[in-house]
Amino acid sequence: ETGVTQTPRHLVMGMTNKKSLKCEQHLGHNAMYWYKQSAKKPLELMFVYSLEERVENNSVPSRFSPECPNSSHLFLHLHTLQPEDSALYLCASSQVPPAGNGYTFGSGTRLTVV
Amino acid sequence: AQKITQTQPGMFVQEKEAVTLDCTYDTSDPSYGLFWYKQPSSGEMIFLIYQGSYDQQNATEGRYSLNFQKARKSANLVISASQLGDSAMYFCAMSFNNDYKLSFGAGTTVTVRA
Repeated sequence: ETGVTQTPRHLVMGMTNKKSLKCEQHLGHNAMYWYKQSAKKPLELMFVYSLEERVENNSVPSRFSPECPNSSHLFLHLHTLQPEDSALYLCASSQVPPAGNGYTFGSGTRLTVV
Repeated sequence: AQKITQTQPGMFVQEKEAVTLDCTYDTSDPSYGLFWYKQPSSGEMIFLIYQGSYDQQNATEGRYSLNFQKARKSANLVISASQLGDSAMYFCAMSFNNDYKLSFGAGTTVTVRA
């Protein structure tokens, strides 16, 4: 049990579908993050929420829409995705700024867009 | 701009032997933190060890130790007495004061042979 829970673990969706990824933490952290990990590429930071406010959006296409309703929950809403969006999506949480153990990551959602 | 470099895409190590994973970084910021994460095939990112830029001693956590050479801007991870369960991808990462972001290197795949 990592302290950060992501659901679903695996997701296959068509390009016209709408789906959401969910992340939940009960570590008392006040920042949450979405990362994208594609094959043979470094982790890419997508969004950062601190105290439920979005503080960073790294030029992510609008077909990805984050939501942070409270400090324990983070969502990534997906619509009209492309096959190149297939990747492992990792959620993480931390104190602000990250303390000596950095982020705590979830197990990720492996997304396949068909 | 800060940059993290892991030059070894893949390494093989014999069980019970030690292995050193290289990490170099480039920054002009005097205050930063260095992290190592392990990512098994399941996808979860597992925190291993942390070194602060002002820490006088090299960090150690069980079989993991960090060879921190500040002047050379390197933070190599040493895994002693390798086990089959150590087979995974290993990432070096870096954070900076008052910054949410954790920047990752490209990773090194370690395969432990029996």
